[in-house]
Amino acid sequence: NAGVTQTPKFRVLKTGQSMTLLCAQDMNHEYMYWYRQDPGMGLRLIHYSVGEGTTAKGEVPDGYNVSRLKKQNFLLGLESAAPSQTSVYFCASTRPNTDTQYFGPGTRLTVL
Amino acid sequence: GEDVEQSLFLSVREGDSSVINCTYTDSSSTYLYWYKQEPGAGLQLLTYIFSNMDMKQDQRLTVLLNKKDKHLSLRIADTQTGDSAIYFCAESMDIGTADSWGKLQFGAGTQVVVTP
Repeated sequence: NAGVTQTPKFRVLKTGQSMTLLCAQDMNHEYMYWYRQDPGMGLRLIHYSVGEGTTAKGEVPDGYNVSRLKKQNFLLGLESAAPSQTSVYFCASTRPNTDTQYFGPGTRLTVL
Repeated sequence: GEDVEQSLFLSVREGDSSVINCTYTDSSSTYLYWYKQEPGAGLQLLTYIFSNMDMKQDQRLTVLLNKKDKHLSLRIADTQTGDSAIYFCAESMDIGTADSWGKLQFGAGTQVVVTP
């Protein structure tokens, strides 16, 4: 099993550009999450999904959109990137009634 | 602001014990977790404790929970250079509904540096 994978690993954008981050898991997990990690602030939840076709807002959803068209994939979109979105983005997944969230390796995004 | 608080840095000598502290605010949290993040990597679950427990031991790791003070600690015995990493405390935000399961509130992380 590959676990949780994220594409791309690194990306540099100009202000106003758009992009999509892809998260894929091969563990048949129901729940998936997108976090951002900023220095001194830990991880903050952006959006999450409790099943295929469902999404919900987390703590810091503004400026991001998500889609969960397939159970194994969770996409995070930035329609018009801003420098404040420079961060490391982590995807995670879990299944109901378990204790463990499995994290991907992260995507480092810089917006100039 | 953070609901989960941790000190930002800890320096420890190889072979000594490390103690990382965390305070949380949600007394209804059912689980509390410790995650480890090595440089350039994602988070890896180290251990967790259920809220009705006071202590949990797992090899070199000991978790202590003081519910009255909402204080959680992680002790690493015989700290090794491979233990150098950022350690995150997290509390579950599960309120028993389907959409709350698995949601976690993280602290800012404690950078642990192990010196020879």
